[in-house]
Amino acid sequence: KNQVEQSPQSLIILEGKNCTLQCNYTVSPFSNLRWYKQDTGRGPVSLTIMTFSENTKSNGRYTATLDADTKQSSLHITASQLSDSASYICVVSRQAGTALIFGKGTTLSVSS
Amino acid sequence: SQTIHQWPATLVQPVGSPLSLECTVEGTSNPNLYWYRQAAGRGLQLLFYSVGIGQISSEVPQNLSASRPQDRQFILSSKKLLLSDSGFYLCAFDRGVTNYGYTFGSGTRLTVV
Repeated sequence: KNQVEQSPQSLIILEGKNCTLQCNYTVSPFSNLRWYKQDTGRGPVSLTIMTFSENTKSNGRYTATLDADTKQSSLHITASQLSDSASYICVVSRQAGTALIFGKGTTLSVSS
Repeated sequence: SQTIHQWPATLVQPVGSPLSLECTVEGTSNPNLYWYRQAAGRGLQLLFYSVGIGQISSEVPQNLSASRPQDRQFILSSKKLLLSDSGFYLCAFDRGVTNYGYTFGSGTRLTVV
């Protein structure tokens, strides 16, 4: 069964601290994996997208890693800011058609 | 550049009333178009997708329908809303088989009262 599991479900950290969000998937055949940031009441915005051959990709303070062998990905946020408070969604795409598999997201709260 | 517009941002409708949510894409032609619903604490659920004008595929049976009257226009409708139709609705588009450029609209918060 094609699934995307994210952990933790929620996370609270202090401003300035780093954090890492996890994503495990059982999607096959794999095409690409992307991380989205979704602010409350808004649509998801793409942070990174990685194909099978890419191990890491950065977007400012966001760094995503992908291990296609173990089917795991992580999103590392460096020097967190209050504006990082949002839901982070891991999405895995299969190799054909419209099949995007969504994780349920990790809700990150950054406090001062 | 490619952009997607979705409106309205929020909507409060009585039970039994009709619904029409609109989504338009700019800067590209022949996009794949999608409607999602997102319930609190749950992942995005694909409702409909369209690969061309007049071509609509439904992922889940429900009280809603979708139409694509023009290449870059996607409409989500209902003849009679139910309380269970409340939720956050997202439109999205992409180009190509691998969904590489998947982009979401800003979403519509629908509350059925």
